[in-house]
Amino acid sequence: SQQGEEDPQALSIQEGENATMNCSYKTSINNLQWYRQNSGRGLVHLILIRSNEREKHSGRLRVTLDTSKKSSSLLITASRAADTASYFCATHGSSNTGKLIFGQGTTLQVKP
Amino acid sequence: GAGVSQTPSNKVTEKGKYVELRCDPISGHTALYWYRQSLGQGPEFLIYFQGTGAADDSGLPNDRFFAVRPEGSVSTLKIQRTERGDSAVYLCASSLNNILNTEAFFGQGTRLTVV
Repeated sequence: SQQGEEDPQALSIQEGENATMNCSYKTSINNLQWYRQNSGRGLVHLILIRSNEREKHSGRLRVTLDTSKKSSSLLITASRAADTASYFCATHGSSNTGKLIFGQGTTLQVKP
Repeated sequence: GAGVSQTPSNKVTEKGKYVELRCDPISGHTALYWYRQSLGQGPEFLIYFQGTGAADDSGLPNDRFFAVRPEGSVSTLKIQRTERGDSAVYLCASSLNNILNTEAFFGQGTRLTVV
């Protein structure tokens, strides 16, 4: 079963705009990660935020985590056409063996 | 190798046949994951290895699916009596160790088509 749910399912913006994607999850977590996937094949890790962190930055990426609401957001600033991809959140539960559970993803299209 | 390698990249098989999908993780990574992904969906967890043992196989859909990792490195996902519903991209990932705060590195996947 999936742990996370991303919102929106699809997002289309113009190059230079910011893109915000949200993720909600159901159980307690150790950490939450965001991944990117091009063309339905391998996923690439973007950023990891631990359960005791509230915000994290990496280049044009900003991730927030609200454990009280069981939600996270990924902000991509100054988007580029090359950011077009699917984005997934994934969680390591606090009580599991270490398995990483993914959400359904947000498909982002950045128009040049 | 530099990354996670999965072979074959594509596999077409007839309904009822047996298939094996191989994953070579990054050298030194003790954790290995298998996922299945259908079009437009997120990766669906199948099984997770820590070393040679399956730490969690709760995602395997039924007893037609089985995975091994006999020496704690290469893993093989085995599907018996394939069905058309098994068609999907099968993704493998590895991570450094069993500490939960580590990222997973993915292979490019094997696209399985059952006809």
